[in-house]
Amino acid sequence: DAKTTQPPSMDCAEGRAANLPCNHSTISGNEYVYWYRQIHSQGPQYIIHGLKNNETNEMASLIITEDRKSSTLILPHATLRDTAVYYCIVRVPQTGANNLFFGTGTRLTVIP
Amino acid sequence: DTAVSQTPKYLVTQMGNDKSIKCEQNLGHDTMYWYKQDSKKFLKIMFSYNNKELIINETVPNRFSPKSPDKAHLNLHINSLELGDSAVYFCASSHKGGGGAGELFFGEGSRLTVL
Repeated sequence: DAKTTQPPSMDCAEGRAANLPCNHSTISGNEYVYWYRQIHSQGPQYIIHGLKNNETNEMASLIITEDRKSSTLILPHATLRDTAVYYCIVRVPQTGANNLFFGTGTRLTVIP
Repeated sequence: DTAVSQTPKYLVTQMGNDKSIKCEQNLGHDTMYWYKQDSKKFLKIMFSYNNKELIINETVPNRFSPKSPDKAHLNLHINSLELGDSAVYFCASSHKGGGGAGELFFGEGSRLTVL
């Protein structure tokens, strides 16, 4: 059920912006793009989501291309605590439950 | 003041035993989930309950029986434990979805080791 493709791993220097790409070329019109991350030994943590407009919150920015076939999660100033596996998920929000399919994600390592 | 709490965090047991993992959320959500993360780190949905009613059951063996006494609790009982049940089990909760919602809040996980 993998609808997204992400690079398996990336490195980023501490203090720099981390740009994590995600391809979702088969996304349908009513599917949202969600990003979660999982820091080692912890439960996944919601980061951000969007439909077609770019979104920003206190954690990150989400840039979605105009054709919605890809997106980029931006952590503007990466810290060591941002080292985690980042999951890009596409999903139509359901009224009953939100079963999110987690693929293999991108393992981001922030280097001091 | 943990939002989604699971107990126990670690559980080591013998094959064939029966064990339970408890989950409680204090977020006022009406939907709760159990996910399993195996040794290869794949995170898969097992069950989802909405207002104590089972919504999703992802072809999980019937040795696994979720129980939701109220909408703030979703416990997972596992009978006749097998080696392959060794994994980290995550509980999660969310508001009833719709629109742009869908944020899941996860617990810290319960690591089950079957010997």
